[in-house]
Amino acid sequence: GDSVTQMEGPVTLSEEAFLTINCTYTATGYPSLFWYVQYPGEGLQLLLKATKADDKGSNKGFEATYRKETTSFHLEKGSVQVSDSAVYFCALSDPSSGGSYIPTFGRGTSLIVHP
Amino acid sequence: DAGVTQSPTHLIKTRGQHVTLRCSPISGHKSVSWYQQVLGQGPQFIFQYYEKEERGRGNFPDRFSARQFPNYSSELNVNALLLGDSALYLCASSLASGQTNSPLHFGNGTRLTVT
Repeated sequence: GDSVTQMEGPVTLSEEAFLTINCTYTATGYPSLFWYVQYPGEGLQLLLKATKADDKGSNKGFEATYRKETTSFHLEKGSVQVSDSAVYFCALSDPSSGGSYIPTFGRGTSLIVHP
Repeated sequence: DAGVTQSPTHLIKTRGQHVTLRCSPISGHKSVSWYQQVLGQGPQFIFQYYEKEERGRGNFPDRFSARQFPNYSSELNVNALLLGDSALYLCASSLASGQTNSPLHFGNGTRLTVT
């Protein structure tokens, strides 16, 4: 079945540091890929998405490129801020999974940014 | 526009009791999904409804049931509560079902504690 594997956290960085959160996936079809972010006490929010190979999703300084050859969708940001502290979830939606939009989520990676 | 709203925000129940959680989707969204998020894990899919019909069911026991109303709001019911049902229950809406690149919009969740 489909699965998403994320690097374990927490990831602890100083403000303005470079961020990478690794995500790899397994899918039978050609999935769409997503990054969601969850701030404390809130639900998940869509951060960015990519729907086909080599697409780059970007939002709020975050980027991720859909790499089919390495089945990866790593999240990057050039300069993190304290306000980026949250839990980040990688997710996929596979059209071969029965036709319904039922995304599969990774376990989440906690990011802590210190001033 | 209002986002996805869930009620109640917090709930404490005793083992064996029954609980009903409620969700109102974003206006215009016809698909509602329910997820269980245990602390430190990613959301696990429970149900998806579209146009009042069940479109998907995750690997949860029959104690879990749901329905969608004509106004597209939804209820999640859990019978015979167990300690292991303690979790954050998230509701998400989307424009339609069966579109893999259509993102989910999450509510802030209902925190259920079973004692």
